[in-house]
Amino acid sequence: EAQVTQNPRYLITVTGKKLTVTCSQNMNHEYMSWYRQDPGLGLRQIYYSMNVEVTDKGDVPEGYKVSRKEKRNFPLILESPSPNQTSLYFCASSARRTNYGYTFGSGTRLTVV
Amino acid sequence: QQQVKQSPQSLIVQKGGISIINCAYENTAFDYFPWYQQFPGKGPALLIAIRPDVSEKKEGRFTISFNKSAKQFSLHIMDSQPGDSATYFCAASIGNFGNEKLTFGTGTRLTIIP
Repeated sequence: EAQVTQNPRYLITVTGKKLTVTCSQNMNHEYMSWYRQDPGLGLRQIYYSMNVEVTDKGDVPEGYKVSRKEKRNFPLILESPSPNQTSLYFCASSARRTNYGYTFGSGTRLTVV
Repeated sequence: QQQVKQSPQSLIVQKGGISIINCAYENTAFDYFPWYQQFPGKGPALLIAIRPDVSEKKEGRFTISFNKSAKQFSLHIMDSQPGDSATYFCAASIGNFGNEKLTFGTGTRLTIIP
């Protein structure tokens, strides 16, 4: 089944403890992206990647890091999480030339206390 | 700043009625305008998309109307059904196929009542 898999689905952590949210896609997509979803703010792009070793900042990159060492994986790293990073996070992937839009994962609900 | 403004924040429509969600944008370089649908506990999924060379696109009960001069676009859901109850996001981007840097609106929670 074609899908984007995020792990974990739920995570509660403490301020300052480094964490990684993994994202993997099995569709050989070139584009991958991370979004955070907050009430009243919609979906805001954190980082995106157009291919292996090619990443760029989205609209809200502060406090986050990403890497794209393999085409299928695009982990999101929070080096020192803070409570304002409590949010619902989505990873998404897309082929470079497509009319089918992004395929989103099921989300990771992160709480930083 | 919010590059894509979406309204209303929530909408209640009777079954069989027409649901209308509006979006406005500022950046005239945007050239791809998709709508995404999100059910509770799921990620968003592409519903329908339009490019600015056409003023309307229809797929089944879903229609996008696009007004380039007003920098506005809207989603119309005809004969709305309870299964259409979801959160809808408009979006906009620049690029060959639009998925490099997609900017979303704030979302509309649509509820269809019997």
